[in-house]
Amino acid sequence: DQQVKQNSPSLSVQEGRISILNCDYTNSMFDYFLWYKKYPAEGPTFLISISSIKDKNEDGRFTVFLNKSAKHLSLHIVPSQPGDSAVYFCAARVEGGSEKLVFGKGTKLTVNP
Amino acid sequence: DTAVSQTPKYLVTQMGNDKSIKCEQNLGHDTMYWYKQDSKKFLKIMFSYNNKELIINETVPNRFSPKSPDKAHLNLHINSLELGDSAVYFCASSPIAGGRNTQYFGPGTRLTVL
Repeated sequence: DQQVKQNSPSLSVQEGRISILNCDYTNSMFDYFLWYKKYPAEGPTFLISISSIKDKNEDGRFTVFLNKSAKHLSLHIVPSQPGDSAVYFCAARVEGGSEKLVFGKGTKLTVNP
Repeated sequence: DTAVSQTPKYLVTQMGNDKSIKCEQNLGHDTMYWYKQDSKKFLKIMFSYNNKELIINETVPNRFSPKSPDKAHLNLHINSLELGDSAVYFCASSPIAGGRNTQYFGPGTRLTVL
């Protein structure tokens, strides 16, 4: 039962352009969402998060958008850089519940110079 | 100056053996976790401890037993290893249980059961 879905296993963009990574969820009890970035042979590192009371959160080149009615969120990276090449995981948590994070399968982003 | 460390990084062993993976965090966090990333690349939580107390225990075989000697350490013991246990195991920690605390992950331990 995949409660968090990242339907694109991979994405390739040119340096300087926008990268858009998508994530869908099915559990309406989720109300806190996170994006993690993972390089090969390393653990995931936290990138950005958003609460369900917001529809946008921005941190430098990274912006996360949340559409609660569609149960959809996206991560925008502008401008994309070769160092952004990594696997990006979307994760969700039930507010007020345990610390359990539910992860998607990840999207491998390749930014070409 | 590693925040969350795991040993070993790679572990290759035979079916039926018993093995342990160690995790240590130097962030002063109260909560620690074990996640499993299987061949389908899903990261799934297995256990969570808060101040040495078990707070999350997902549906995991009894062969897996976490042990937290203190709040900076959460070790994972696996008895009678099976082929399906092959995966990457990640340890993580966060400041406190509950709320919106970011989880910090270790580099992972790749377990291969032959």
